[in-house]
Amino acid sequence: DGGITQSPKYLFRKEGQNVTLSCEQNLNHDAMYWYRQDPGQGLRLIYYSQIVNDFQKGDIAEGYSVSREKKESFPLTVTSAQKNPTAFYLCAAFREDYGYTFGSGTRLTVV
Amino acid sequence: SQKIEQNSEALNIQEGKTATLTCNYTNYSPAYLQWYRQDPGRGPVFLLLIRENEKEKRKERLKVTFDTTLKQSLFHITASQPADSATYLCALDGSRGNNRLAFGKGNQVVVIP
Repeated sequence: DGGITQSPKYLFRKEGQNVTLSCEQNLNHDAMYWYRQDPGQGLRLIYYSQIVNDFQKGDIAEGYSVSREKKESFPLTVTSAQKNPTAFYLCAAFREDYGYTFGSGTRLTVV
Repeated sequence: SQKIEQNSEALNIQEGKTATLTCNYTNYSPAYLQWYRQDPGRGPVFLLLIRENEKEKRKERLKVTFDTTLKQSLFHITASQPADSATYLCALDGSRGNNRLAFGKGNQVVVIP
């Protein structure tokens, strides 16, 4: 059963703490993406990777970092520099004609 | 500036009728446009892709049109059912060649039995 697995589903972060969101895919797609969704807002692109060992900043990359050491994995780290991290984070993989396949999301809350 | 606009008001529709949603965009030249369905607390699910050289695409009860002159896409759900109640997102190719999608804010559909 191919898809995107995001974990954890819920994550709580203390002020000043870095946290890492996991994203794994078994679709064998080259391109992977991280989006952030806030209530009443559209999805906004944080980072994307077209191929292993390469990634580019999206529209709101400040305060986030990523790595792409394996085709299957694209973890997102929310650093303490991200001042408003509470949001719903979505990871996706892309293949032409199939569109984006999204994971079920991670809801991050600052406590 | 670049914009993707979808109606912010929910569309309430009687079961069996056709729901029509609009997506207008400004300052984009997308090679393709996509529609997604999103249920509360879940990731979006891909529904349809239509390319710039296609006028219309159909999939089961769904129909999408794409008018690059008007810079508009229409999304139709025919014979709507309560299970079609969800938020529908319009997304387009925001930067040709990178497959970076830019998303609208979505339009909620409520199908009333």
